[in-house]
Amino acid sequence: SQQGEEDPQALSIQEGENATMNCSYKTSINNLQWYRQNSGRGLVHLILIRSNEREKHSGRLRVTLDTSKKSSSLLITASRAADTASYFCVSSGGGADGLTFGKGTHLIIQP
Amino acid sequence: DVKVTQSSRYLVKRTGEKVFLECVQDMDHENMFWYRQDPGLGLRLIYFSYDVKMKEKGDIPEGYSVSREKKERFSLILESASTNQTSMYLCASSLTQVNTEAFFGQGTRLTVV
Repeated sequence: SQQGEEDPQALSIQEGENATMNCSYKTSINNLQWYRQNSGRGLVHLILIRSNEREKHSGRLRVTLDTSKKSSSLLITASRAADTASYFCVSSGGGADGLTFGKGTHLIIQP
Repeated sequence: DVKVTQSSRYLVKRTGEKVFLECVQDMDHENMFWYRQDPGLGLRLIYFSYDVKMKEKGDIPEGYSVSREKKERFSLILESASTNQTSMYLCASSLTQVNTEAFFGQGTRLTVV
């Protein structure tokens, strides 16, 4: 896989607002994944979007993928305090290689 | 649910000691990974394995080795621990060689004194 670059590095919003994080990558991909890490539950997988998909939903999460721009975005709607965490994207070419993480976006939800 | 279990949550070792970090997964996953995580540096891949007895270097393999004698177990070995190896170590597994969802253990916070 290749390292994704998340943007912004940090984001602070009010509870109830929507949060958008972006990810850019460099080469063609087979899929792109988003992960979340917080102190309570460790690092968990959120969603995987394949290169032939443009948008995917899971609960309050919406992920888009633009392969022409080599970018993805993660939207969290109606944010909650429990969404406070770091979010990482991982893009994969589909080969047998390691998963490489970027430094993530640190999201803080203010009550 | 897939479970990835790391043998210790906290570990304190002395400089020069040989340290073993153990990781076990219970879902017959082919791929297993070891990462370390440090403030400001994110997760960095140390080694991974896509089959028994197979291993591949990640981004920062120096000072580490691994062992995968059984499919469910992936061990990280610090041959001679040093203070700069103080870190959080995370193990993960995923189902197949084509990268799919990875499941992580809770981590081992290693302190080398």
